[in-house]
Amino acid sequence: NAGVTQTPKFQVLKTGQSMTLQCAQDMNHEYMSWYRQDPGMGLRLIHYSVGAGITDQGEVPNGYNVSRSTTEDFPLRLLSAAPSQTSVYFCASRTGTEWGEKLFFGSGTQLSVL
Amino acid sequence: SQQGEEDPQALSIQEGENATMNCSYKTSINNLQWYRQNSGRGLVHLILIRSNEREKHSGRLRVTLDTSKKSSSLLITASRAADTASYFCATGTSGTYKYIFGTGTRLKVLA
Repeated sequence: NAGVTQTPKFQVLKTGQSMTLQCAQDMNHEYMSWYRQDPGMGLRLIHYSVGAGITDQGEVPNGYNVSRSTTEDFPLRLLSAAPSQTSVYFCASRTGTEWGEKLFFGSGTQLSVL
Repeated sequence: SQQGEEDPQALSIQEGENATMNCSYKTSINNLQWYRQNSGRGLVHLILIRSNEREKHSGRLRVTLDTSKKSSSLLITASRAADTASYFCATGTSGTYKYIFGTGTRLKVLA
């Protein structure tokens, strides 16, 4: 069972570069989301989607773009990387859009912006 | 910020002892969930408690919820070295689809 797959696992960028973090799930989950995790800050929600073609902002959306063209994929784009975006990024999905469903997490992408 | 807070931030206990960690949150919720994160890995769901429930058990885990105080606690009984991890609470914000996570408690269980 693949579950939620994130690529790459590690990435180093220079300030100003752009890149896309990939997230794919094979559980037919409607809900997908991106979090960033920083020391002492816990997990903060960046963007989320409740289905193909539908996305919305979380707590810290600035500097990131998302799109949801298929149920399976939810890529996160950094438009112009900044050192403040150095973090560990997690993608998570769950079935349905009603409350009471647990999140399934990917293994994370560790991003460093120099 | 809507983030919840957990305390203690770090907890160190001996194997066999009980571990209690607390979560406070700010908004009305539909449910509260607890997750576990082993070092450098993704989070794994442990247990969910709904806003109309006061206590829930799952194996060695016991969760309580006090909506009047906007707080929850997670008790791990008879802890094992393998329980060493970070533990996070997550709340479902009423009226949205967002899950908001707390800042986490780092638990270390000494063998």
